[in-house]
Amino acid sequence: QVTLRESGPALVKPTQTLTLTCTFSGFSLSTSGMCVSWIRQPPGKALEWLARIDWDDDKYYSTSLKTRLTISKDTSKNQVVLTMTNMDPVDTATYYCARSRMATIDYWGQGTLVTVSS
Amino acid sequence: QSVLTQPPSVSAAPGQKVTISCSGSSSNIGNNYVSWYQQLPGTAPKLLIYENNKRPSGIPDRFSGSKSGTSATLGITGLQTGDEADYYCGTWDSSLSEGVFGGGTKLTVL
Repeated sequence: QVTLRESGPALVKPTQTLTLTCTFSGFSLSTSGMCVSWIRQPPGKALEWLARIDWDDDKYYSTSLKTRLTISKDTSKNQVVLTMTNMDPVDTATYYCARSRMATIDYWGQGTLVTVSS
Repeated sequence: QSVLTQPPSVSAAPGQKVTISCSGSSSNIGNNYVSWYQQLPGTAPKLLIYENNKRPSGIPDRFSGSKSGTSATLGITGLQTGDEADYYCGTWDSSLSEGVFGGGTKLTVL
């Protein structure tokens, strides 16, 4: 059974760095073809893809957010970490991690709401 | 603005059929598989269709997907009130090297 769970602060101040951790089970990120993606959704708005890390440590980032994002993995702990620098109130959103198998995002975490406010 | 274009809303009566379109370009839909996701109110998205037209285990055959050129379509037959949700298309963009989603379509079952 594949499960993913996001964890991190619910509230961050403007200009701070956000660190989110995705802890997963039911698959290994060392298996060929496996990937973990981060997606966010501002309240009442659409999904926005943020980043992906692959089994072979290839990394991909949203063009518009590339300078602020870093994704990394700890295969032994079944964790993927996303950091986003210089947080702004417009970054208030529910952040999801999800398993990807190359072309398809197939399993999603429940999401974690991050509010950016002073 | 989203890279993929979906109608903001669609509606139909219970038991009827509805289609939701997703338009892109040669760098995304035209050369990559399309997935569809259902997001019920207050919940995480759930995979409905993958690789253009395949259904994961547990997804009823009332849901179908197709792709032609740079557009994809989600079809839902035998509409139920429980189908009221937001629906998103998604794929990979080979030029941008990033994932892309549509802006979402809100389905109302009247």
